[in-house]
Amino acid sequence: TAGITQAPTSQILAAGRSMTLRCTQDMRHNAMYWYRQDLGLGLRLIHYSNTAGTTGKGEVPDGYSVSRANTDDFPLTLASAVPSQTSVYFCASSENIDTDTQYFGPGTRLTVL
Amino acid sequence: GQNIDQPTEMTATEGAIVQINCTYQTSGFNGLFWYQQHAGEAPTFLSYNVLDGLEEKGRFSSFLSRSKGYSYLLLKELQMKDSASYLCAVRDGDYQLIWGAGTKLIIKP
Repeated sequence: TAGITQAPTSQILAAGRSMTLRCTQDMRHNAMYWYRQDLGLGLRLIHYSNTAGTTGKGEVPDGYSVSRANTDDFPLTLASAVPSQTSVYFCASSENIDTDTQYFGPGTRLTVL
Repeated sequence: GQNIDQPTEMTATEGAIVQINCTYQTSGFNGLFWYQQHAGEAPTFLSYNVLDGLEEKGRFSSFLSRSKGYSYLLLKELQMKDSASYLCAVRDGDYQLIWGAGTKLIIKP
């Protein structure tokens, strides 16, 4: 079972450029999440989706957008990247929004110059 | 505001026991989680507590006291592969996970 896959593994991006981070899960989970992880800070929720067709804002949504056209895919888009968006981005999923365990993808390391 | 506190770093010896503490202040409580994260990898689920008491799972145990806003993760018979960061997270009243910054555990031979 693949679980959750993310692409790309890493990326260097010029400031002002746009980029979409891809996330796909094969567990038929209803809920999906995007986090960023920065040194010395806990994981911070960017956006989430309770189920296909719905999305919600997390703690740090500014500068990011998401869509959930189907159950499996949850892409994260940076419309115009800034250096403060340099981070490691993790996608996660859980069976439902209030279910015990979130399963994480391998992460995307993004550097914005 | 909501806050999760855990030590930044701890060191322990192979074969020994270590306890990693986590204190929290959140608006509502719907469970506490411990995750393990090796350097450069994704967090992986270790344990979940929603009621007071101790949950044991092999070499790892997790304890919760809701009245004290306190949890700990106990690792026994430490192995070198246990060197990792351990993340404490609390599900708040809105069912969102609030994460601590993590405790980096260094195991020495």
